Amino acid sequence: AQSVTQLGSHVSVSEGALVLLRCNYSSSVPPYLFWYVQYPNQGLQLLLKYTSAATLVKGINGFEAEFKKSETSFHLTKPSAHMSDAAEYFCAVSDNRDDKIIFGKGTRLHILP
Amino acid sequence: GAVVSQHPSRVICKSGTSVKIECRSLDFQATTMFWYRQFPKQSLMLMATSNEGSKATYEQGVEKDKFLINHASLTLSTLTVTSAHPEDSSFYICSARDQIAVAGVQETQYFGPGTRLLVL
Repeated sequence: AQSVTQLGSHVSVSEGALVLLRCNYSSSVPPYLFWYVQYPNQGLQLLLKYTSAATLVKGINGFEAEFKKSETSFHLTKPSAHMSDAAEYFCAVSDNRDDKIIFGKGTRLHILP
Repeated sequence: GAVVSQHPSRVICKSGTSVKIECRSLDFQATTMFWYRQFPKQSLMLMATSNEGSKATYEQGVEKDKFLINHASLTLSTLTVTSAHPEDSSFYICSARDQIAVAGVQETQYFGPGTRLLVL
């Protein structure tokens, strides 16, 4: 069975500071990994996805994530936080056999002025 | 880009009534759609996988007779919450996968904006 664990249900960073949201996965097959963002009362927007190509994946809004097989991690980073980055972020995993996406519990990112 | 819509965006109903939620892929054909529910401040939980022209596949613990799913066309899937009760109040989100899939490549699922259901 696949699963993801997001460390920290809430993360606060100052505007302009580095954003780091942690995600570890568990999968018996090579995984496909995703980061989604959800703004209040809205659906999900795909930030980026890893599909066994380059281990460093660049996404939208300046976010990127690095797949590290040895650490079973897929942490999300952004060099400089903006106020507009405040949202809920979900890490997710899929094995592509049936395309079921398993979501982590989410991390709420707070941006401090 | 690919767009998925849901209707209605929010609905309030009385306990015991049935509510239908529509999920449409607007600019692509989707042989597979997925239905999720999200409780406040929690993650998305997959309820069922909806395949065009066949019966939906439900996740463990999801009552198929209570959450009726129909995927009659390549652009429309519906979720009907039958005999709704207050505990069914939740945020329901659908996603759709493009029909054109390249073997061995994970195709992106496109998510709808969600439907908030409140059962009184």
